[in-house]
Amino acid sequence: GESVGLHLPTLSVQEGDNSIINCAYSNSASDYFIWYKQESGKGPQFIIDIRSNMDKRQGQRVTVLLNKTVKHLSLQIAATQPGDSAVYFCAENPSYGQNFVFGPGTRLSVLP
Amino acid sequence: DGGITQSPKYLFRKEGQNVTLSCEQNLNHDAMYWYRQDPGQGLRLIYYSQIVNDFQKGDIAEGYSVSREKKESFPLTVTSAQKNPTAFYLCASSVGQGYYEQYFGPGTRLTVT
Repeated sequence: GESVGLHLPTLSVQEGDNSIINCAYSNSASDYFIWYKQESGKGPQFIIDIRSNMDKRQGQRVTVLLNKTVKHLSLQIAATQPGDSAVYFCAENPSYGQNFVFGPGTRLSVLP
Repeated sequence: DGGITQSPKYLFRKEGQNVTLSCEQNLNHDAMYWYRQDPGQGLRLIYYSQIVNDFQKGDIAEGYSVSREKKESFPLTVTSAQKNPTAFYLCASSVGQGYYEQYFGPGTRLTVT
């Protein structure tokens, strides 16, 4: 597979447990955020997004929480499965018409 | 079956040679992007294009060039001027620049020796 994420922080969770992946973003003016999942050797896949006028958004088995006060974003994965093993990273958009800024990511490892 | 394709998946070149990475999308997206991914770092933007026949430098454009002659295609050339070209290259597209999800291709791993 690709050597992406060799030096990333790693979160190890037991299969079936919930996972929480955190992201500190840099720009207090950012108002749109995306979480991506990247499996080894593949391109990133969209998981969920959230705008700054919300503090929580839920998808299928995933929830994103946004705390603008401390510039913090988290991704919660319920009942983590082996297929969830991947690198997860957040992206922030400083304002409409600008380009995304991507975080380095966290490697999620699901233990049997 | 809509999506973004990149080819080849693995590419090997000798130092001093230019190499062109292919990116094609059939999503009818106006905006296309090229990123570089290195271990332990976030994606870094090389070039982007919001419309055919127009493109802009990103954060690390030195040593790279692009063209956008067709809406579907956004090839990236890694020139010999790029000092550290070995990396994983990702192409993406979106409806437009701004609050739109970017769809990514599978990536090309370039190794220059």
